[in-house]
Order: sequence, then structure tokens, then C-alpha cells
Amino acid sequence: ELKVEQNPLFLSMQEGKNYTIYCNYSTTSDRLYWYRQDPGKSLESLFVLLSNGAVKQEGRLMASLDTKARLSTLHITAAVHDLSATYFCAGHSGTYKYIFGTGTRLKVLA
Amino acid sequence: AAGVIQSPRHLIKEKRETATLKCYPIPRHDTVYWYQQGPGQDPQFLISFYEKMQSDKGSIPDRFSAQQFSDYHSELNMSSLELGDSALYFCASSSEVFGNEQFFGPGTRLTVL
Repeated sequence: ELKVEQNPLFLSMQEGKNYTIYCNYSTTSDRLYWYRQDPGKSLESLFVLLSNGAVKQEGRLMASLDTKARLSTLHITAAVHDLSATYFCAGHSGTYKYIFGTGTRLKVLA
Repeated sequence: AAGVIQSPRHLIKEKRETATLKCYPIPRHDTVYWYQQGPGQDPQFLISFYEKMQSDKGSIPDRFSAQQFSDYHSELNMSSLELGDSALYFCASSSEVFGNEQFFGPGTRLTVL
């Protein structure tokens, strides 16, 4: 069964700094998703990565996928306070089944 | 644009009672997923339906059952509720036509007393 691990679990960073969140998965996953969740709220889809080498960018966030290394990264550039949230990656396991990573709680300090 | 609708948004039940959660997918989405998220935890996949048929099953307790109806809405039935069932329950929907990207509903917060 697919296992998805993220690190770090907690991340406290200063505004303006860059950082990367890592998502490792245990078996083949033909697609990888990134979500954002604010406390008590629903999950907001950020990126869908469908192939090896895929890179997508939206604002200060950039996601990439390396299927050979079974690794996806979410890079944050010049962080701002509004990016404070929990970020999840999720891998595809089964026909209509997705396994979520442990989540990374990001806090951006002013 | 229309989003996934879940009802009720909040539900309080006593131990051993039953609960029914409802999910209305985005129009033209044919796949529905249910997830359970405990406090401070990641969403745990429970079950999914494609074209009204059960597709995949995750860590869904035997006390829970679900189905997808002819109008594509789905219901999650939970019986003999336990304190540990208190969680946020999310429904998501997707369609192959739109790359199977999941869109999540606002969730139902279930509290079992």
C-alpha cells in the first residue's frame, strides 16, 4: 500500500525567506497532488503533477515531481504571512483512492 | 462556479447513536470520495464511488456504510457512534474529463459526546 511522508512536519520561517517541503512516497504513483488547508477549513487544491519532471508554479509556490526518486517538492519563495497554513501532498493509490502525507504546518513570521 | 456541498455542516451526537452525512458533488462529476480528518491529522481515505458503484475502500470501519445515488449524491451512514468518530468528514468529487482533480467540500464536523 502506498505510504506518503512529508518533511518537515513543522516549519517556522521568516518573511522573505525561501524554503522547500519534501514529499516522499513508497510505491509508484502516477500523479501527485498538493493541497493547502487553513485551520478548520477545507482542502484547497494547489497543484496536480501528472508526469516525471513536471513543474508547476503559482505565485510564490512551485511544485515539482521526480517519479524515479518518488519525490515531490513544494518550494516557497520569499514567504509572506498569508502562506501560513498546513500543506499536504497526496499520492494516487488504486483507481479512485488517494493517500495523504502527514502534512507540513507552515508558520511565516513577520 | 458550483462547488461540492455537504450537509449538515455541524452535527452533535451521543455515543451509540447513528448519523448520516450527505454530499452533493459538482455537476457532471461522476466520482465521489469520503475522508475522515481527526484533529491535527491528515485526511484518511474512507471510500470512493465511480458512476454509482463502490470503487476503492480505505480505513472505513464496518459500522460505516456509504452509497452513491442515481443523481450522484452520496451519503455516509455511521452507526454505533464512538467518541473516536469525532472528526471532520470531507467529501470530494472529480471527473476523468477534468483530469480527476479532486475538489473538496467544506466538511461536516461531527462531535460525539
